[in-house]
Amino acid sequence: SQKIEQNSEALNIQEGKTATLTCNYTNYSPAYLQWYRQDPGRGPVFLLLIRENEKEKRKERLKVTFDTTLKQSLFHITASQPADSATYLCALPDSGGYQKVTFGIGTKLQVIP
Amino acid sequence: DTAVSQTPKYLVTQMGNDKSIKCEQNLGHDTMYWYKQDSKKFLKIMFSYNNKELIINETVPNRFSPKSPDKAHLNLHINSLELGDSAVYFCASSPSHSNQPQHFGDGTRLSIL
Repeated sequence: SQKIEQNSEALNIQEGKTATLTCNYTNYSPAYLQWYRQDPGRGPVFLLLIRENEKEKRKERLKVTFDTTLKQSLFHITASQPADSATYLCALPDSGGYQKVTFGIGTKLQVIP
Repeated sequence: DTAVSQTPKYLVTQMGNDKSIKCEQNLGHDTMYWYKQDSKKFLKIMFSYNNKELIINETVPNRFSPKSPDKAHLNLHINSLELGDSAVYFCASSPSHSNQPQHFGDGTRLSIL
């Protein structure tokens, strides 16, 4: 199965700056990669999906890149706000199909006013 | 309307007891999942059902038994609870075709005394 590395250390960033979170994987290249947001006491919420043939995907202030050579996805939040504070998880499909995805441990983002 | 709902939200019980967690989704999805999120916040899949048929069964003790009476419901029964079962259990659903995001419930926090 896929091994996923996300910086489990918290990322603190000043309001208004761009937050950049990293997701690295080590095994096979997935057909797509997903990013989720999880708030304390809540379930993960889907944010963005990027396919292997897409280099970049945007949604409002969010941008995701996918570099299959580096085996890495970057998740950017521009003009960050305190409300963006949460844990962000990346998820990759398992090679076995059946929609099994493996989640990274997530990176906790804290946006400081 | 809550898309994926789990009950109960909190479950506190003693070691050795048997307990059940219920999950219902009103999204019309064909696939449902159970995940366990431990104290280190690692989200790990346990089971997945597609149209009431078990398709993913990870290395989970036999004490855990999922049941899907119809495609909108997936329940989890746990026998002889152990201290290590303390965690947050998340139910999720998704359409059966690939690339689709998963929709999560808000979790059931299980605490074993």
